[in-house]
Amino acid sequence: QSVLTQPPSVSGAPGQRVTISCTGSSSNIGADYDVHWYQQFPGTAPKLLLYANNNRPSGVPDRFSGSKSGTSASLAITGLQAEDEADYYCQSYDSTLSGRVFGGGTRLTVL
Amino acid sequence: EVQVLESGGGLEQPGGSLRLSCVASGFTFSGFAMSWVRQAPGKGLEWVSTIIGGGGSTYYAASVKGRFTISRDNSKNTLYLQMNSLRAEDTAVYYCAKLRGLRYFDWSFDRWGQGTLVTVSS
Repeated sequence: QSVLTQPPSVSGAPGQRVTISCTGSSSNIGADYDVHWYQQFPGTAPKLLLYANNNRPSGVPDRFSGSKSGTSASLAITGLQAEDEADYYCQSYDSTLSGRVFGGGTRLTVL
Repeated sequence: EVQVLESGGGLEQPGGSLRLSCVASGFTFSGFAMSWVRQAPGKGLEWVSTIIGGGGSTYYAASVKGRFTISRDNSKNTLYLQMNSLRAEDTAVYYCAKLRGLRYFDWSFDRWGQGTLVTVSS
């Protein structure tokens, strides 16, 4: 069981908008720690997609955005493209565990 | 260009030891905290350990505390993970990752290596 809860899978058609939720608790997201998002293609290393809730590293398209409220965060992808098909992970810090924690990951399928 | 490159993975028996290495380039290594993150086959990501830039402070996940030791040699731009008393559940790809951010609690993993596979099996 991951400390941060994500849906195992989401899907959408090309051009559509999809969101991926990340639900935590008062010891992590709710404690006002930043949430970060990573994208991972099969057989490759994860890549930082969004940092500090809604900031894109250089090279990440503005189709990707993030938000945070209370004990949850979400990743939104607009104008879905086939190349977006990947696994997505949220990550934050947990004060009870005194360490960084990840969500279980969400597999995005582009129909 | 920022790069991190892991090595040292392999097959080890339960109870055995392995030492992973990660060589960094393209940034001031001593100025950044570094971490190990692992991913068991077909599973999600799990944070393992973090070491601060100067090496004075280290942090571990409960699952590895007392068995794994993270260290760094800033003169060689190299990060290490000494893994002792290995268990089957330690089987995973181990990634070396650079940390960035303002506040310790809010650091993100902004650069990842390609990973090295550790298999613990008899």
